[in-house]
Parts: sequence; structure tokens; C-alpha cells
Amino acid sequence: QKEVEQNSGPLSVPEGAIASLNCTYSDRGSQSFFWYRQYSGKSPELIMSIYSNGDKEDGRFTAQLNKASQYVSLLIRDSQPSDSATYLCAVNVRRGGTSYGKLTFGQGTILTVHP
Amino acid sequence: DAGVIQSPRHEVTEMGQEVTLRCKPISGHDYLFWYRQTMMRGLELLIYFNNNVPIDDSGMPEDRFSAKMPNASFSTLKIQPSEPRDSAVYFCASSTLAGGPAYFGAGTRLSVL
Repeated sequence: QKEVEQNSGPLSVPEGAIASLNCTYSDRGSQSFFWYRQYSGKSPELIMSIYSNGDKEDGRFTAQLNKASQYVSLLIRDSQPSDSATYLCAVNVRRGGTSYGKLTFGQGTILTVHP
Repeated sequence: DAGVIQSPRHEVTEMGQEVTLRCKPISGHDYLFWYRQTMMRGLELLIYFNNNVPIDDSGMPEDRFSAKMPNASFSTLKIQPSEPRDSAVYFCASSTLAGGPAYFGAGTRLSVL
């Protein structure tokens, strides 16, 4: 089982719709969760961080975390063509009661927002 | 802050040659990561450092790869000898704390012919 899994897509949504991106992780010791956006030919860019169960909203983005289900998601409201990119889920595993710096990424989900 | 700085941006070399990639992390960041990205394997962690000390190098593919961090503001990733299968984009990233997010450099696109 992969440490971090995402549906590779592609996910296609119309402009103005809600895009829903999902991620599961294998290690229950994971404590920190991140969403990155990567445009073609560019480097990953941090867009959301979430550390506790529930929802966290930032503008049009909402991250949702459910540690019991080992599931983290990203919702993009009012999707725009400029949101078309690959979205990477990243998980930081914490083991043995100490902070552990390893940040592991999923394969990424390709999102296309069409006008 | 200038962000994470990587050089060169592009590198084309022939099989068997030595390749050295360079990285300057964000000032004050204690963690430095080297990742490799390919279409087939996605973004893979090769090695990471904390306070200049290598912590986990389990992702380094083989002995041809080596990484050093001689001081807090500089790290290198060396491939010797290079092979065509090493062709990928190599990213350096840094973080200010364990459990925190990493910030990426622009990457080095390596092509080994």
C-alpha cells in the first residue's frame, strides 16, 4: 500500500463548479497534511495546510481532514480555468512521539477547469 | 526572501558524466529536502537533512547518488556516473520545522543522453 494515494484523474469540471480532490494515507501517526498546486513545468506551490480534524477554509479553498478515516480532501469553489493544474497531497509522518521531517507526496490529481 | 535557489535550471549531459546539482535553502530553515520528479514515479523524496545532518537517505536510488550539506546555506546532489534513467526534474525544498510545509525551488531539469 502506498503511503499517500490520490486519484490521478484527470478531473474535469466546468467553470464555476466545485472541484473535489481526495487523498488517503496509510500511517495513523501522520500529523500534518498539505495541498500543493503544480502548474506544468513549474515547481509545487503550497496552497493549504491542515493539522486537526475538520475543515479549514482559505478563500475559495477548503481542506477537510478526517484522521479516523485517514482521509484528507480539498474543495475548490467557483473553479476557474486558472485553477487547471496538478494538485499534490503531502503528508508528514510523525513517529515515536517525536517530530519526523519526512514529507511524502501522492501522485497528484490533474484538474482541468473548462470554460 | 529570495526563496529556495537551485542551479543549474537545465542540465544536459552524456551518460557516464558526473552531474552536480546545487541548492541554497531559505535562510533560517533547518530542514532541506531533495526530491526527484518523473511522470512514472511522481515526486519522490531522495534524502533530507536537519541542521546539515542527513536524517533519511532511504530514497537515494543507489550508490551513484550522493548528497552533502556542508553548511546551513548550501547543499549538493551529485550523480556519478550518470545514466539516461536519471533524467528527471530534481527539486530542492526547505522547511522551518519538522511537521511543517516545505517550500520548493524552481528545480533542475536533467537530461542524460
